[in-house]
Amino acid sequence: GENVEQHPSTLSVQEGDSAVIKCTYSDSASNYFPWYKQELGKGPQLIIDIRSNVGEKKDQRIAVTLNKTAKHFSLHITETQPEDSAVYFCAASHNDMRFGAGTRLTVKP
Amino acid sequence: EPEVTQTPSHQVTQMGQEVILRCVPISNHLYFYWYRQILGQKVEFLVSFYNNEISEKSEIFDDQFSVERPDGSNFTLKIRSTKLEDSAMYFCASLPADLDYEQYFGPGTRLTVT
Repeated sequence: GENVEQHPSTLSVQEGDSAVIKCTYSDSASNYFPWYKQELGKGPQLIIDIRSNVGEKKDQRIAVTLNKTAKHFSLHITETQPEDSAVYFCAASHNDMRFGAGTRLTVKP
Repeated sequence: EPEVTQTPSHQVTQMGQEVILRCVPISNHLYFYWYRQILGQKVEFLVSFYNNEISEKSEIFDDQFSVERPDGSNFTLKIRSTKLEDSAMYFCASLPADLDYEQYFGPGTRLTVT
């Protein structure tokens, strides 16, 4: 089955800096790659996703890149703000969705 | 905006007891999922359900677990004889008609087995 690895497990940045979170996946059949933000006590909320026919997608301060050959994808957050602090999960999906272990992002004011 | 709802928000039960976690997916959605998140760990896929039957299940989803869509709105996860290690957040999710679209997650049920 699919195995998703996510790095780093924790990330601390200064407000205004960029944050990058990386994931790799094992199943070449995976074709949908969402990123979720989870705040304390809440369920995961989709922030951006990318499908396998696209290499990059951007939505304001958030961008995701996908390299299908290398089977890795990354989340980029620019101009980070304290409210970006949360746990971020990547996931890869073919028939079912497998999540990475999560990255706890802390943005220091 | 339509949302997935889950009840109860917190369930405390004794080891060996049966629990039923309830979810109301978004009304026009066709695929339904249960996930588990042990405190501080990753979200883990349990089971997917489509057309009134299980379509995929993980190695976690053993004979102690079952799912049901008893009517047109509810989607339930039953754990027959709970164990301490079943303590976790359980999230329900649903999506409309395409496996490659956004899954909408509910707020979760915190299950505590004592």
